[in-house]
Amino acid sequence: GNSVTQMEGPVTLSEEAFLTINCTYTATGYPSLFWYVQYPGEGLQLLLKATKADDKGSNKGFEATYRKETTSFHLEKGSVQVSDSAVYFCALLFGGSNYKLTFGKGTLLTVNP
Amino acid sequence: DVKVTQSSRYLVKRTGEKVFLECVQDMDHENMFWYRQDPGLGLRLIYFSYDVKMKEKGDIPEGYSVSREKKERFSLILESASTNQTSMYLCASSPGTGQTDTQYFGPGTRLTVL
Repeated sequence: GNSVTQMEGPVTLSEEAFLTINCTYTATGYPSLFWYVQYPGEGLQLLLKATKADDKGSNKGFEATYRKETTSFHLEKGSVQVSDSAVYFCALLFGGSNYKLTFGKGTLLTVNP
Repeated sequence: DVKVTQSSRYLVKRTGEKVFLECVQDMDHENMFWYRQDPGLGLRLIYFSYDVKMKEKGDIPEGYSVSREKKERFSLILESASTNQTSMYLCASSPGTGQTDTQYFGPGTRLTVL
């Protein structure tokens, strides 16, 4: 079946540090890939997505590239801010599954001033 | 602006009570979803609906039922609440257009069963 594995946290960084959160997936086919973010006390919101191989999703300084050859979708940001502190979820969507998202377990990021 | 609302942010119930969690979306979306979120387990799908009165079980449907009588509203029902159903419950909706669908989430309901 489909699955998503993302690096376990928590991740603690200083402001302006470089961020990478690893995400790899297993799927029978070519899914769409997503990063969702959950700020404290809130629901999830879409951060970025990519729908086919070699696509790059980007938003708010975050980027992730859909790598079919390594089945990966790593999240990166060049310079994190305190306001980026949140839980980040990698997810895939495969049309054959009635459009159900499969999530990774989430990575807690804390950015210190 | 896209909006998914949930009836309560916090809820405390007693074991054996029947519990209703309500979710409303204002985007005319076809699909609606109920997840529960637990530390270390991430999000797990309980039920989803792809049309009015249509529903499918997710990964952990036991102890839950759902109702979708109108397109904008999707209710999660705990027939007889138990302490192991203490969790954060998240509702989501999506357009139902295909594999590029984005799901939009509500703020969540933190349910405590005593």
